[in-house]
Amino acid sequence: QSALTQPASVSGSPGQSITISCTGTSSDIGGYNYVSWYQQHPGKAPQLMIYDVSHRPSGVSNRFSGSKSGNTASLTISGLRAEDEADYYCSSYTSGNTLGVFGTGTKVTVL
Amino acid sequence: EVQLVESGGGLVQPGRSLRLSCAASGFTFDDYAMNWVRQAPGKGLQWVSGISWDSGSIAYADSVKGRFTISRDNAKNSLYLQMNSLRAEDTAFYFCARDKEGGWLQFRAFDYWGQGTLVTVSS
Repeated sequence: QSALTQPASVSGSPGQSITISCTGTSSDIGGYNYVSWYQQHPGKAPQLMIYDVSHRPSGVSNRFSGSKSGNTASLTISGLRAEDEADYYCSSYTSGNTLGVFGTGTKVTVL
Repeated sequence: EVQLVESGGGLVQPGRSLRLSCAASGFTFDDYAMNWVRQAPGKGLQWVSGISWDSGSIAYADSVKGRFTISRDNAKNSLYLQMNSLRAEDTAFYFCARDKEGGWLQFRAFDYWGQGTLVTVSS
């Protein structure tokens, strides 16, 4: 099972909005609504930001939103802040020969 | 407060074995499926294995199938990963993670993670 495809890096200025894409197949993103997004700061454990495509866990800022179209999921960060600078990973359940798969990861830089 | 604390990592020679543990607290352990996720230094996340609340459903990534065994002891609130025939490419931080949506093995979302334990496979 190959990793889901994400852009290696995305950048934006404070206050701007950025969108990170996550492309899979009909066996994962396209076939199920079990898409999640994680934020990881250097040396830290990942933190769940979005689950079930577009739901935010309690405590996560509403500046983070998720969506899906076909085989591609997206994470949008609005009102970009310095503390949003981190690595972001998508994940999805898959009907392939493994239970689930993560994306390749995207480094977000706040200019 | 939910806490997951991994232990058991270290330096091990290729071909040898290692057993990781994850001690859980702050929640009803046997209400949740649990997973192991690893991350090679400087690399991305890779799901390794998952287990349902009652150990009735277990799954592995192809890269570890036949070499790694996941298990849990609900009486001890603990998750384990027995790693045999270790290879250099198994070198990574290993995180245990709780499945947000309950006891069935779904790969739904991982809402709590430990801080990880480093496994280094080298001669």
